[in-house]
Amino acid sequence: KNEVEQSPQNLTAQEGEFITINCSYSVGISALHWLQQHPGGGIVSLFMLSSGKKKHGRLIATINIQEKHSSLHITASHPRDSAVYICAVVRRGYQLTFGKGTKLSVIP
Amino acid sequence: NAGVMQNPRHLVRRRGQEARLRCSPMKGHSHVYWYRQLPEEGLKFMVYLQKENIIDESGMPKERFSAEFPKEGPSILRIQQVVRGDSAAYFCASSPLDSSGELFFGEGSRLTVL
Repeated sequence: KNEVEQSPQNLTAQEGEFITINCSYSVGISALHWLQQHPGGGIVSLFMLSSGKKKHGRLIATINIQEKHSSLHITASHPRDSAVYICAVVRRGYQLTFGKGTKLSVIP
Repeated sequence: NAGVMQNPRHLVRRRGQEARLRCSPMKGHSHVYWYRQLPEEGLKFMVYLQKENIIDESGMPKERFSAEFPKEGPSILRIQQVVRGDSAAYFCASSPLDSSGELFFGEGSRLTVL
């Protein structure tokens, strides 16, 4: 079993829909990152959080340390949100362990 | 303030050749991390460097791979005698402190071994 599990692996949504991507982990962590990767492109860090909730524009990230679970929400989804979203947990102060990613396709 | 710069973006090598991938961290960042993304797999940590020091190379294959971050110039990930299995995207990230802080990623270098 992977230390970081994401669900779903693939997600197709209609433009405007509310989207949730989940991340569960089985190890002790100090923080968690949500990353975005466009096809053939680089990686952008969307959020880093260690507790509670953060919001940036239409993106919201939450984390429950006790339950070892985090969610990334996208409100009013848009085709430009189509990308792979990756959850990564921080261990040992600097090492990241990554989930396999959730491929999101938003259809106009 | 330029972001993390990686070059080359794409590199093609034949089996047995050497590949050198370069990473210039963001200005003011002294911590560099290299990650590898194999096709259809997730990212994996390779190595963590500070200026002139390798802090953790536990994710690097023991043979053929090496990394450095000299006092002057970019960090370099070097792969000697490349094999087809080395074909992957190699990402560099930098931070001003360790990963308890924000991480900034480069665009990646995509290595194809023929």
